[in-house]
This record gives sequence, structure tokens and C-alpha cells, in this order.
Amino acid sequence: GEDVEQSLFLSVREGDSSVINCTYTDSSSTYLYWYKQEPGAGLQLLTYIFSNMDMKQDQRLTVLLNKKDKHLSLRIADTQTGDSAIYFCAGIFSGGYNKLIFGAGTRLAVHP
Amino acid sequence: DAGVIQSPRHEVTEMGQEVTLRCKPISGHNSLFWYRQTMMRGLELLIYFNNNVPIDDSGMPEDRFSAKMPNASFSTLKIQPSEPRDSAVYFCASSRDVGGKAEAFFGQGTRLTVV
Repeated sequence: GEDVEQSLFLSVREGDSSVINCTYTDSSSTYLYWYKQEPGAGLQLLTYIFSNMDMKQDQRLTVLLNKKDKHLSLRIADTQTGDSAIYFCAGIFSGGYNKLIFGAGTRLAVHP
Repeated sequence: DAGVIQSPRHEVTEMGQEVTLRCKPISGHNSLFWYRQTMMRGLELLIYFNNNVPIDDSGMPEDRFSAKMPNASFSTLKIQPSEPRDSAVYFCASSRDVGGKAEAFFGQGTRLTVV
């Protein structure tokens, strides 16, 4: 199957780190993606990781990939109120044709 | 490029009416996706096209939903007849495969309200 699962909500204090988790059932995706959706807007690609990598860091963002456990996480350091959004993990699994499958999204709320 | 363009941004219609949502993908992209987003179900893939051909429409909820892509620069999603439970935000996205990596670009979405 192509299930991608995420927890629905996460609440953190401003300045703390946020960790958003994602699990998937099909390990065939060459790349795994994190998208961000701000209120009233479409999804935008935030970062991605190649499936042969374990970790990717991009400024305040760290993506960790555990292929054995089929687990992907996104860590946001020094979380700011502007990081409040819905975060989606996604992958292109068996079947090709760029069929991008998303998790349900994790709503991150940052409070003072 | 102006990005993926969807129209209308908002649509309010009465139950039983036909609704047509429109999408212009980014030029040069060969895949196009229609998604539906609701609070209850999150983001659902309805249908996607590759090179204008529908590849997988298993996410289309019922026969009331249909989608077309007559050419590389235009797609429509039609609901006929519409029902209140169709109320959602509908997103169109397009992508182009580059070495196995395919970043999807999303439109702003169409917020559909069926009353």
C-alpha cells in the first residue's frame, strides 16, 4: 500500500524545537518530501531528502530518514510563530508517473 | 512563470448545480494532479494525469466527479450534480520529473461551498 501517516497536531512553545513525524509503508520512493501549507494557501515544498541519505540539514530544518523503520521526521530548531502551519510528508511510491502521495498533515501551533 | 493558476478562487453554489473548476499548470510540466482537502479527511488525491492522459482516477469519489485534460496547458474538474458534502478546498498541482525527483507546485486552491 501507499499509506503515509502523520500525527494531526503539535503544539510547541516559541524558541523550542519542533519534531514532526511521518511513517510510510512503501519504501520505493526515491525522494521523500516535506511540504508546508500556510493558512489560505496551497502547499509549498519545504525540503526533501534522497532515499539513500539518513539526514539532511537546511538552516533551521533537519530531516531524518530511517529506512529500516520507514520513518521520516522534520525537526525545526528555534521554532517561531511564523512556522505555524500544516506540514505534510509525501513520497512517490510504486507505480511511478510522479504520483505524489501525501500524509494527512500535521498542524503545528506555536505559542509564546 | 506565474505558477499553477486555478479558477475560481471561491465558488458558492446550490446543491444540484454543476460546478467546474479550472487549472492551468506550469508550462513544461508533464504531470497534473487534482487534490481535495477537508478537515475530516485531510488531503486526498482525486486524479492525476501524465502527458495529458489520466493515469489513476481511483481517488475520484463518485461518478458525479469527472476530470479532463484536453491539452498540456488546461485541465478541468467537474462535479455534476454537486452536493453539500463536496464542500472542500480543491487543489491543482503540476510537476515535472527530473532524475526521479518531482517537485509538485500547487495552485492557490478553489474553495467550494455547496449549500
